Amino acid sequence: EIVLTQSPGTLSLSPGERATLSCRASQSVSSSFLAWYQQRPGQAPRLLIYGASSRATGIPDRFSGSGSGTDFTLTISRLEPEDFAVYYCQQYGSSLYTFGQGTKLEIK
Amino acid sequence: EGQLVESGGGLVKPGGSLRLSCAASGFTFSNAWMSWVRQAPGKGLEWVGRIKSKTDGGTTDYAAPVKGRFTISRDDSKNTLYLQMNSLKTEDTAVYYCTKLRGYAFDMWGQGTMVTVSS
Repeated sequence: EIVLTQSPGTLSLSPGERATLSCRASQSVSSSFLAWYQQRPGQAPRLLIYGASSRATGIPDRFSGSGSGTDFTLTISRLEPEDFAVYYCQQYGSSLYTFGQGTKLEIK
Repeated sequence: EGQLVESGGGLVKPGGSLRLSCAASGFTFSNAWMSWVRQAPGKGLEWVGRIKSKTDGGTTDYAAPVKGRFTISRDDSKNTLYLQMNSLKTEDTAVYYCTKLRGYAFDMWGQGTMVTVSS
């Protein structure tokens, strides 16, 4: 089973700043199989990025995904107040789906 | 815009059973691969299992912690997904989300239903 490790666990930034979130896989993951989600408090998760770099419908272009192999990154170019939430990466492999443990993005 | 609405959660004793339902609307349910994802209180997301469309074989896959105890099924005539949970353990306590797969990502989520396993 592929294990996804996200870093940092908590990221403290101010609105307007740039956020860089990391997701590292225990073995190589096809870019087609890597996604990112946002979960605000009390809400269901929302798909942000699929295929490592494609934005889901309705996602603002300040969100971008990149990476390949074992290292993937979610970047939020200029933080808006509604972006402070928990972010998860997720992969598919061998008929199984796994999530990272999450990165909490909090207001500094 | 599609929608997923879960129901059937509640309090159950260890060793008991519960069946969750998920009513789908706004998309062609019969063509969709569907999945359940859970989230224990204060914890991260955990994939539970997936069912393919009948066109693609209708087969299921499960995460190791629930394999042999949980069963996912679907009724395309009712646009409804099910999760039958047997031999429940305290560690199964979680919010259970019904999700739709687009390729290998979960592109639609329900609001979730809480399952509490406690004596």
